[in-house]
Amino acid sequence: GENVEQHPSTLSVQEGDSAVIKCTYSDSASNYFPWYKQELGKRPQLIIDIRSNVGEKKDQRIAVTLNKTAKHFSLHITETQPEDSAVYFCAAEGNKLTFGTGTQLKVEL
Amino acid sequence: GAVVSQHPSWVICKSGTSVKIECRSLDFQATTMFWYRQFPKQSLMLMATSNEGSKATYEQGVEKDKFLINHASLTLSTLTVTSAHPEDSSFYICSARDGSANSYEQYFGPGTRLTVT
Repeated sequence: GENVEQHPSTLSVQEGDSAVIKCTYSDSASNYFPWYKQELGKRPQLIIDIRSNVGEKKDQRIAVTLNKTAKHFSLHITETQPEDSAVYFCAAEGNKLTFGTGTQLKVEL
Repeated sequence: GAVVSQHPSWVICKSGTSVKIECRSLDFQATTMFWYRQFPKQSLMLMATSNEGSKATYEQGVEKDKFLINHASLTLSTLTVTSAHPEDSSFYICSARDGSANSYEQYFGPGTRLTVT
């Protein structure tokens, strides 16, 4: 089955800096790659997603890149703000949605 | 649009009893619903996929006789945890996919915190 690895597990940045989270997946048939933000005790919130026919997608301060050949994808958050602090999950979907292990992002003032 | 609700939001039950969790798509028809479990500080793990009117497909290691799933309508799926034990304490989250939309997106419910004492 699909295996999604995510790094780093924790990430601390200063407000205004950029944050990058990386994921790799194993199933070459996966074709949908969403990213979620989850605050403590809340539901996962979709922040951006990308399909396999696209290499890059951007939405304001958030961007995602996908390298299908290498089977990895990354989340980039620019101009980080304290409210960006949360746990971020990548996921990959082939025949089912498989989540990465999560990254605790802390944006410090 | 695309709202999914869950009920209850939290429940405490005694060991050996059963608990039912409801998942509803409020403004769309969900041909497929998913049930996930999330332990503290861990990721979401898919438990089962349910399609309206058919039996659920369970992931490896998930006991289908313990976690009963019913998807009787296009807007409602239920998860019943039977003979609950403390190790079943977890955050249970459902999600639903809009059958009419050409989209992979899953819409997540707010989750149910189950504590078994």
